[in-house]
Amino acid sequence: QVTLKESGPALVKPTQTLTLTCTFSGFSLSTSGVRVNWIRQPPGKALEWLARIDWDGDKFYTTSLKTRLSISKDTSKNQVVLTMTNMDPVDTATYYCVRTGVTGTEFYSWGQGTLVTVSS
Amino acid sequence: DIQMTQSPSTLSASVGDRVTITCRASQSISSWLAWYQQRPGKAPKLLIYKASSLESGVPSRFSGSGSGTEFTLTISSLQPDDFATYYCQQFNSYSYSFGQGTKLEIK
Repeated sequence: QVTLKESGPALVKPTQTLTLTCTFSGFSLSTSGVRVNWIRQPPGKALEWLARIDWDGDKFYTTSLKTRLSISKDTSKNQVVLTMTNMDPVDTATYYCVRTGVTGTEFYSWGQGTLVTVSS
Repeated sequence: DIQMTQSPSTLSASVGDRVTITCRASQSISSWLAWYQQRPGKAPKLLIYKASSLESGVPSRFSGSGSGTEFTLTISSLQPDDFATYYCQQFNSYSYSFGQGTKLEIK
């Protein structure tokens, strides 16, 4: 059974760096074809894909936030970490850790999400 | 970046109705289109991938079609559990984007 769970601070101040950890089970990020993503959703708004890391270490970022994002993995701990610098109130959102499906183009297994509020 | 536009934004329907939601891409995405259902306070759930492939465990009343720039999600006979928000999502050149969502409400 595939499970993913996000953890991190619920509240960050403007200009601070956010670090979120995704801890997963039921698969290994060293297995060929496995990809893990971060997706966010501001309250009452649409979903936004942020970043992806692949089993072979390849990393991909959304163009608009590329300079602020960094994604990494710790295969031995079954974890993926997302950092986002220079946080702003508009970054307030629920952040999801998500595994991509067999084609690599769809998001088939989602974490429960963690709400991050940016406020002074 | 590819923009995804869903219509309508809100749809009012009754149990038993057949409904269709449309998603248009700003450029061709072949068949790399997925559909999700999201209930309030919950993570999205994958319904359809590769435009028309039904995810395992999803009821057969859900179906998807289309290719290129125009896609549809059809629910053949609405059930009470189906009233939720639906999102389309595309993949192209190692980037993903979502539509703005369609809220399906009870009439």
